[in-house]
Amino acid sequence: GNSVTQMEGPVTLSEEAFLTINCTYTATGYPSLFWYVQYPGEGLQLLLKATKADDKGSNKGFEATYRKETTSFHLEKGSVQVSDSAVYFCALSDPMNSGGSNYKLTFGKGTLLTVNP
Amino acid sequence: SAVISQKPSRDICQRGTSLTIQCQVDSQVTMMFWYRQQPGQSLTLIATANQGSEATYESGFVIDKFPISRPNLTFSTLTVSNMSPEDSSIYLCSVEDVASFYNEQFFGPGTRLTVL
Repeated sequence: GNSVTQMEGPVTLSEEAFLTINCTYTATGYPSLFWYVQYPGEGLQLLLKATKADDKGSNKGFEATYRKETTSFHLEKGSVQVSDSAVYFCALSDPMNSGGSNYKLTFGKGTLLTVNP
Repeated sequence: SAVISQKPSRDICQRGTSLTIQCQVDSQVTMMFWYRQQPGQSLTLIATANQGSEATYESGFVIDKFPISRPNLTFSTLTVSNMSPEDSSIYLCSVEDVASFYNEQFFGPGTRLTVL
């Protein structure tokens, strides 16, 4: 079956530090990959996505590249801010094994990021 | 993007009772989903709710424990029945945005349930 493994947290950084949150996956088909973010007290929001190998998703200074050879989708940001403090979830959808829909998301456990001033 | 609200935002319940969680969307959507996030765990899909048909449950989840209603295209409820402490989780609803190319999902803020 499909699975997502992401870096255990919590991660604590100082403002302007470089961020990497590792994510690797296993899938039987050709998955799309996502990063979701959950700010305190809010629902999950889609941060970025990539739908095929070598695609780079980017948003709000965050980037992740779909690496099929290493089955990875690591999240990076060059300079984090206090406002980036949140829980980050890596997820995949595998339409080949979901009746053709992207809806069946498989999530990692989430990584809590705290950025201190 | 869809705006989703859930009620209640949190609750503390006694063992053996039931709780119904409501999910309201600000636009009409075909597919709505219910997820569970147990403490320290990832999100797990409970079931898919389409208007006008029975909900489809994932392996390990049954209708008697988690009955779902979907009376119209903007609303759904999930009931957690005969609760035990193992049901303490965050329950989230989501919708699929069919207008987006990759059918992205939008999530509600979640309902934090504690069972004593």
